[in-house]
Amino acid sequence: GENVEQHPSTLSVQEGDSAVIKCTYSDSASNYFPWYKQELGKRPQLIIDIRSNVGEKKDQRIAVTLNKTAKHFSLHITETQPEDSAVYFCAASIVQERFGAGTRLTVKP
Amino acid sequence: DAGVIQSPRHEVTEMGQEVTLRCKPISGHNSLFWYRQTMMRGLELLIYFNNNVPIDDSGMPEDRFSAKMPNASFSTLKIQPSEPRDSAVYFCASRLQGTNSPLHFGNGTRLTVT
Repeated sequence: GENVEQHPSTLSVQEGDSAVIKCTYSDSASNYFPWYKQELGKRPQLIIDIRSNVGEKKDQRIAVTLNKTAKHFSLHITETQPEDSAVYFCAASIVQERFGAGTRLTVKP
Repeated sequence: DAGVIQSPRHEVTEMGQEVTLRCKPISGHNSLFWYRQTMMRGLELLIYFNNNVPIDDSGMPEDRFSAKMPNASFSTLKIQPSEPRDSAVYFCASRLQGTNSPLHFGNGTRLTVT
């Protein structure tokens, strides 16, 4: 089955800096790659997604890149703010999502 | 749209007791997923249904766990008998089958087994 690895497990940045989270997947048939943000005590919620026919997607301060050949994808957050502090999960999907282990992002004011 | 609705929000029970978690998916969504979240193991897929039919239950940890979806608007996850290692947050999620679309998660049930 699909195996998704996510790095780093924790990330601390200063407000205004950029944050990058990287994921790799094993099944080349995966065709959908969502990213979820989970604030403490709350449910995971989608922040951005990308499909396998696209190499990059951007939404304001958030961007995702996908390299199908290398089977890795990344989340980029620019101009980070304290409210970006949360756990971020990547996922790779064919029919159902397989999640990475999560990255705890802390943005220091 | 009220989103995915789970109940109860919190459940505290003693070891050996039966626990039933409930989920109402978003109307029109015909795929439903049960996940378990722990610090050690992250988000684990337990089982998912398409059109009320269980498709993949390979993530169900053992026979103590069972899940049903009697109709398109209701699903249950049952643990009998419960054990302390079952303590976790259980999320239900739904989406429209066959689409590359995101999961919509419920608010979860925090289960504590003492």
